[in-house]
Parts: sequence; structure tokens; C-alpha cells
Amino acid sequence: QVQLVESGGGVVQPGRSLRLSCAASGSTFSSHGMNWVRQAPGKGLEWVAIIWYDARREDYADSVKGRFTISRDNSKNMLYLQMNSLRVEDTGVYYCARVFGYHCDSWGQGTLVTVSS
Amino acid sequence: QSALTQPPSVSGSPGQSVTISCTGTSSDIGGYDYVSWYQQHSGKAPKVMIYDVTKRPSGVPDRFSGSKSGNTAYLTISGLQAEDEADYFCCSIVATYTDVVFGGGTKLTVL
Repeated sequence: QVQLVESGGGVVQPGRSLRLSCAASGSTFSSHGMNWVRQAPGKGLEWVAIIWYDARREDYADSVKGRFTISRDNSKNMLYLQMNSLRVEDTGVYYCARVFGYHCDSWGQGTLVTVSS
Repeated sequence: QSALTQPPSVSGSPGQSVTISCTGTSSDIGGYDYVSWYQQHSGKAPKVMIYDVTKRPSGVPDRFSGSKSGNTAYLTISGLQAEDEADYFCCSIVATYTDVVFGGGTKLTVL
């Protein structure tokens, strides 16, 4: 497995931007796809975005398409989520999670994003 | 993509068995053998308990098992223990093989 640590969360006004980071330990980061998954307060999990191991492909949930961008820097073992035009409904804990096959085998502890005026 | 359907809550006494269902469609659960189940204790990160419908990661007790029939997947926990009290989420890939969809979650209470 791998250790994942998210950062970059905070309180932001609607319409503003925020960039989340996820630092991964270990030498296998560049071999795996990575997901961002979020959880609104008291709610269930919602998949946000995925990026291929080599960053050649990415995909997004319809709820964030056109506003969020997932990226990675394999030389630094880092995953990112650039969030623009934030909405109140984007509030929640954001987790980065490693893809293994067709599931997520390692998760970070999450970072809280609060969108509020 | 609509969320998979799970019962909001289930409960059982220590030593008993409980089964949590997760219903989707032929575009997700019914179409692929890539259902996973996650356990989440309050305030903690999710942890995979079952993947590829029936497979158990190393370290997960064999009290946890998964199955699927048609468009519905099941997580069964036998020999319930107090530490099993948590939220459980199912997950399936969808037709694109990249997107995933989660269930709404089921709160397991050990009486």
C-alpha cells in the first residue's frame, strides 16, 4: 500500500478557486491511477475525478466537469485537484485514493473544503 | 450517473450475521464483476473490505464476504463484532470503465 496525505482545503467563497494536493509515499505512485472522491457533511461518497498512471487520460463526474482539473507530477509523487468556480454544493471532505485494478486500495485522511459566503 | 441504492441502516447482535444489499442497473453492477465495498468508521477514511465482487484484501477477516445476483450486490458480515459498527458503501464501475458510482451508504449498528 501507500501513504496518502491531502492538503489545501479551507474556507472559500462561491465562485472562487482552490487547489488540493495529495502527497504519496513509496515508489509505486507512478504505476497507478488516482482518484479524487468527496463526501459532503453527513452524506455518502461521490467520485469526482480519475487520472491515469501516466497522466495521458483523465475523466470527471458530470457535477464537476469543466470546473475541476485533476493532474499529477510523478517526479514528485504528487496528485492535484484544481477547483474553479466553486459552489456551495462542492462543500465536503475530499479524499485522494489509489486505484488498484477496479477499486481503491489506499485512501488519504481527507481535507475539508467549505464553500460559503 | 445515479447513485447505487443501499438500505440506510441495518442492525444485528454480536455473533449474528447481516447482509447489506446494493442495487444498480445493467450499466454498472449488472454489467461488470467490479463491485467493491468500503467500511468507514466515523471521522475516518474509507477502507476496502471486498473488491471484484467476492475478493477480500489481505488483513480483512473472512467474516466479510461479497456476492452478486443480477443488478444487486451483497455484503455479508457473519459473527458480528462491536468493531464492525460503521458505515458501509458499495461501489461499481460504469460503462466507461473509468467512471465509478457509489451507493448512498448503510449504517451498521451492532446492538
